[in-house]
Formats: sequence, structure tokens, C-alpha cells
Amino acid sequence: DSGVTQTPKHLITATGQRVTLRCSPRSGDLSVYWYQQSLDQGLQFLIQYYNGEERAKGNILERFSAQQFPDLHSELNLSSLELGDSALYFCASSVEGAASYEQYFGPGTRLTVT
Amino acid sequence: GNSVTQMEGPVTLSEEAFLTINCTYTATGYPSLFWYVQYPGEGLQLLLKATKADDKGSNKGFEATYRKETTSFHLEKGSVQVSDSAVYFCALSTPYGGATNKLIFGTGTLLAVQP
Repeated sequence: DSGVTQTPKHLITATGQRVTLRCSPRSGDLSVYWYQQSLDQGLQFLIQYYNGEERAKGNILERFSAQQFPDLHSELNLSSLELGDSALYFCASSVEGAASYEQYFGPGTRLTVT
Repeated sequence: GNSVTQMEGPVTLSEEAFLTINCTYTATGYPSLFWYVQYPGEGLQLLLKATKADDKGSNKGFEATYRKETTSFHLEKGSVQVSDSAVYFCALSTPYGGATNKLIFGTGTLLAVQP
């Protein structure tokens, strides 16, 4: 158990809908990262927050957005869903944002868009 | 840009065999290097890391040495067990603007160990 929690574990929804994925980092961790794992794209970095502020952006679609709240939990919002958004979405956390700090991953949310 | 290249899988071995999974990287600056493992149906777990050239990361019998001259970070284990069956990901992180360490992953290598 990494100490990072994600809800829900599974999500099935239809095209065009909007969903929210939630992540709670390990106690004491200030950085939260979101990654997408799909068969065709592999594991890709989406976005990072550090202590409530956006720190870095990866290949995140404009239909996707995220935020980190004062209690440090984070939410990833996916809207106007398409079939190609079906994937595993992982949240990770680390103590700081520096390159040498390892990231601890949650169990993931499996999103299926039908 | 920064990237990680891993050997294609699957890798199928008998129990107690020697394991090598090759990983090479391209990066500007001085990256930190990681191996993560993903067991079926689970998230990623950090297996080991190295933060500078010639560092050796080790954990649970697995080892990898940061080789700057060959830009490699190959994963090795002397004697694999059935319980080591999983997908192994090589990854790197580099400073990006301020203090951030987004991970760039390889494609993953599936290891299947047979009794």
C-alpha cells in the first residue's frame, strides 16, 4: 500500500459525458501528478500540482483539467469524453517536486467510455 | 526531447534464471533514473532508483547501475522467482523549469517466470 488513494476504482460512462477522478496523496506529500496509461500511448504524464499550484503540464487535452485543493487532494476532470479516453488514470505523489524525489502511485482509476 | 527505450517483451524465464532488462535513455541535463514494477491489476511500485552517474540502485535482489557513458540503466536479478512476474518500467525525471520531476516512462517489459 503506497498511501495514495484514488476513487473510484472503476468508471464506465458514455461518450460526451463528464467525469471526475479523485486522488488523496500520501500524508505530508505536497506534489500530485496525474498519468494516463493506455495500450497505444503507454504511460504518459498529464499534469502536476505542487501545494495547490499547477507546476508542469504534459500531453493533457484541453477537455481535461485538474486542481489541487487546500487539503492537498486533487481532482482530474475529463469532459466531452471520447472512446479514445478509455484508459487507466494514475495519481502519484511525492514530498517535493525535485527530480530525485521518488513518486508513489495510487492503484489507479480504470475509465471505460462506451 | 527526453525519452526512454526498453527492450521489447515478453521475457519468459524459468525460475532461478538470470534476468536482464535493457533500458537506455536520452536526456538533457542530469536525469534521475527509476525502475517501477506493475503487478497484474495493481498500480506502479518503485523498485529502485539512482540519481547520479555510477550510482547503483538495489532492492529485493534487483540491481541497476546508472551508466552515463552508455546512457543505460539495465535491470538485473541473479535468480528470478515466479512472484517476480510483472511488467517492469524504466523511467527518468529531469528538472523542468522549477522543481518538478515528471516521469518519462519506457514502454514496459512484461516478465513471465515459469516454475
